[in-house]
Amino acid sequence: QKEVEQDPGPLSVPEGAIVSLNCTYSNSAFQYFMWYRQYSRKGPELLMYTYSSGNKEDGRFTAQVDKSSKYISLFIRDSQPSDSATYLCAMIDDYKLSFGAGTTVTVRA
Amino acid sequence: KAGVTQTPRYLIKTRGQQVTLSCSPISGHRSVSWYQQTPGQGLQFLFEYFSETQRNKGNFPGRFSGRQFSNSRSEMNVSTLELGDSALYLCASSTGYRDTEAFFGQGTRLTVV
Repeated sequence: QKEVEQDPGPLSVPEGAIVSLNCTYSNSAFQYFMWYRQYSRKGPELLMYTYSSGNKEDGRFTAQVDKSSKYISLFIRDSQPSDSATYLCAMIDDYKLSFGAGTTVTVRA
Repeated sequence: KAGVTQTPRYLIKTRGQQVTLSCSPISGHRSVSWYQQTPGQGLQFLFEYFSETQRNKGNFPGRFSGRQFSNSRSEMNVSTLELGDSALYLCASSTGYRDTEAFFGQGTRLTVV
């Protein structure tokens, strides 16, 4: 079993829809959580960084962490075609990032 | 503020050769970590350096090695290249403390033929 599980999708939504992404993890040592966006043939771009359980908002993005369930989520409101990318969750332990497989999202105009 | 710079962006090498990739972190960052990204395995951790010391290492063969210089720039070397080493190699830069974010470069795409 992988330390971080993420449904690879693909996920296709119409423009303006809410995109919901999630990851589960098994390692209780993970305390810091990140979401990255990666466009084709580019490096991952940091979107959100969270530590505590609860919600964190940044513009159209909301990250949720539930440490008791070992479950994290990313919501994208009012999705745009430019949000079409692969979204990766990542968690830190011992200076090492462990990534989910990434979910490919397409937002249809 | 300049981001993470990786050079070269693309490389084509022959099996059996060796290759060196370079990463310059964000100014002021002292930690550089390296990752291999492939369609089948996703992003996998190679190693992490902080102030010229390797603090963590992933499960890769000894053909993969790295080092960090006093100016925090890092290099990664792969010797005796195999076809399966074809991948996007990414480096990430951070302050090096446990609770800080990591920022990635654009990667070096290595093709082994």
